Amino acid sequence: QKEVEQDPGPLSVPEGAIVSLNCTYSNSAFQYFMWYRQYSRKGPELLMYTYSSGNKEDGRFTAQVDKSSKYISLFIRDSQPSDSATYLCAMSVWEKLTFGTGTRLTIIP
Amino acid sequence: GAVVSQHPSWVICKSGTSVKIECRSLDFQATTMFWYRQFPKQSLMLMATSNEGSKATYEQGVEKDKFLINHASLTLSTLTVTSAHPEDSSFYICSARVLAGGTKQSHEQFFGPGTRLTVL
Repeated sequence: QKEVEQDPGPLSVPEGAIVSLNCTYSNSAFQYFMWYRQYSRKGPELLMYTYSSGNKEDGRFTAQVDKSSKYISLFIRDSQPSDSATYLCAMSVWEKLTFGTGTRLTIIP
Repeated sequence: GAVVSQHPSWVICKSGTSVKIECRSLDFQATTMFWYRQFPKQSLMLMATSNEGSKATYEQGVEKDKFLINHASLTLSTLTVTSAHPEDSSFYICSARVLAGGTKQSHEQFFGPGTRLTVL
């Protein structure tokens, strides 16, 4: 069993829809949780960073962490075609990140 | 802020040659830099962790003699792929962790744009 599970997709939604991306994990020692966005042939870009259970909002993005269920989510409101990318969840005990496989998202105009 | 650069962005080389990739944190000091490789449609796999002034720590299965890492300063780390072969062709990405005590969260990692290596 992988430490971090993420549905690879692909996921296609119409422009303006709410997108929900999820990851589950098995290592209860993880305490830092991140979401990265990666465009094709580019490095990952940090979107959200959390270290506690609950919600964190930044513009159209909301990150949710449920440590009791070992489940994290990223919600994108009012999705735009420019949001089309691969979204990677990542988590760590300290500094070493463990990534999910990434979900490929396409926003259809 | 938190910009990480990599050079070159892409490189094509012949089998048996060595290739050096540079990773620089441009506007912050990084206690630690990480090197990843990513195959098409796959996630990032950590290769090694390097701290300024000390030897890199390699992940299991990564040959330290093949992937030489030097962390010369708080803003520069280099990865040298020695005697490259076609199976080393991949997307190599570095990341940098902020020096604790700065304005940024000390556990955040910021990634470079990646280097695409093709070995013929």
